[in-house]
Amino acid sequence: NAGVTQTPKFRVLKTGQSMTLLCAQDMNHEYMYWYRQDPGMGLRLIHYSVGEGTTAKGEVPDGYNVSRLKKQNFLLGLESAAPSQTSVYFCASSYGQGGSPLHFGNGTRLTVT
Amino acid sequence: AQSVAQPEDQVNVAEGNPLTVKCTYSVSGNPYLFWYVQYPNRGLQFLLKYITGDNLVKGSYGFEAEFNKSQTSFHLKKPSALVSDSALYFCAVRDQSPNSGYALNFGKGTSLLVTP
Repeated sequence: NAGVTQTPKFRVLKTGQSMTLLCAQDMNHEYMYWYRQDPGMGLRLIHYSVGEGTTAKGEVPDGYNVSRLKKQNFLLGLESAAPSQTSVYFCASSYGQGGSPLHFGNGTRLTVT
Repeated sequence: AQSVAQPEDQVNVAEGNPLTVKCTYSVSGNPYLFWYVQYPNRGLQFLLKYITGDNLVKGSYGFEAEFNKSQTSFHLKKPSALVSDSALYFCAVRDQSPNSGYALNFGKGTSLLVTP
């Protein structure tokens, strides 16, 4: 009963490096989301996906790319990391419409130096 | 745009006392409202939601929330606080606009501290 699993849990990057965060869900959810959490700012939506092969931009998409090649996986990429991308990243999934809640992973803490 | 506001950064309450964490919303149409809790170094856990029906919604761990349309509020409540309730609480509203992916828009969070 894994739910939403994020890897890695922690990562330190140097400015300009790239990396990919992996999110996997086993609930057969159509919708998946990437949020970032910063102190005093709540959670902000980076990108989302409404199904396999589709992605769309959220509130703060700049500097990030995503892919949803398989229904259960949603990847978040940083092409050239910047210190402003130091944050905690959360993946979530849901059935989408109506009252279905989002189910969250435990997050990835990323530090860019 | 659909949004929520949490006016308090921190709420302090003594164990055994009732607690309230405030949330107000701004939406066009009928709101779909949610409360989540976050413990240190963990993801957000769903507590409860309001979609329609009774204005008093009951959720996990003894929490409940009162939907008030006239005051556009959705305050989280618990009759008797526990030290283990200390955590970060987020109010959220579902974005019903086209091309939103039905994402949730979150408030900035309220830190609840329950003292023994």
